[in-house]
Amino acid sequence: DIQMTQSPSSLSASVGDRVTITCRASQSISSYLNWYQQKPGKAPKLLIYAASSLQSGVPSRFSGSGSGTDFTLTISSLQPEDFATYYCQQSYSTLAWFTFGPGTKVDIK
Amino acid sequence: QVQLVQSGAEVKKPGASVKVSCKVSGYTLTELSMHWVRQAPGKGLEWMGGFDPEDGETIYAQKFQGRVTMTEDTSTDTAYMELSSLRSEDTAVYYCATVAGTLSYYYMDVWGKGTTVTVSS
Repeated sequence: DIQMTQSPSSLSASVGDRVTITCRASQSISSYLNWYQQKPGKAPKLLIYAASSLQSGVPSRFSGSGSGTDFTLTISSLQPEDFATYYCQQSYSTLAWFTFGPGTKVDIK
Repeated sequence: QVQLVQSGAEVKKPGASVKVSCKVSGYTLTELSMHWVRQAPGKGLEWMGGFDPEDGETIYAQKFQGRVTMTEDTSTDTAYMELSSLRSEDTAVYYCATVAGTLSYYYMDVWGKGTTVTVSS
């Protein structure tokens, strides 16, 4: 099975900060990588698909990059509404389709 | 625009089964690929299974095989997820989500609000 890891597991940041979250796959998954944002008590929300494509309606301060095993989600200027937990998800292997990373919690410094 | 409305919270005893529903509006169920994801309290997201649009089969995560059944009623555009032999570790919020994508780049773009299932004696 493909395992997904994320780093850091949590971070504290201030409004306006540039934030970078890393996701790593245990084997190459090409660009089959998605990013989601989840706020407490809410369903996840798709931010980025296919590693770097911005979902419609998502602010342009969110961006994704990477391919193979290493991926990055960047928030260029953190806004108050961005404090949440972020999950990466692989969609490469149908045997263990849609495996999620463990999440990165972004909270207020 | 697709909307997913899930059934209400459930409390079940260990060993029982639970069946969660997810009603689609805005599209017909046959136009969608429905999947299920769960989240235990304070934990991360866990994919359970769903419809593979490439081969037309429902696939289940290995962890749940033999214990989960996902079905669809196209006459009412409602998807169901039934989990049997419940144990306390199955206490979680269960989400339905539609899978979209092209060229095999699939992602979950629309989510239900979740159904809380509590397993307790």
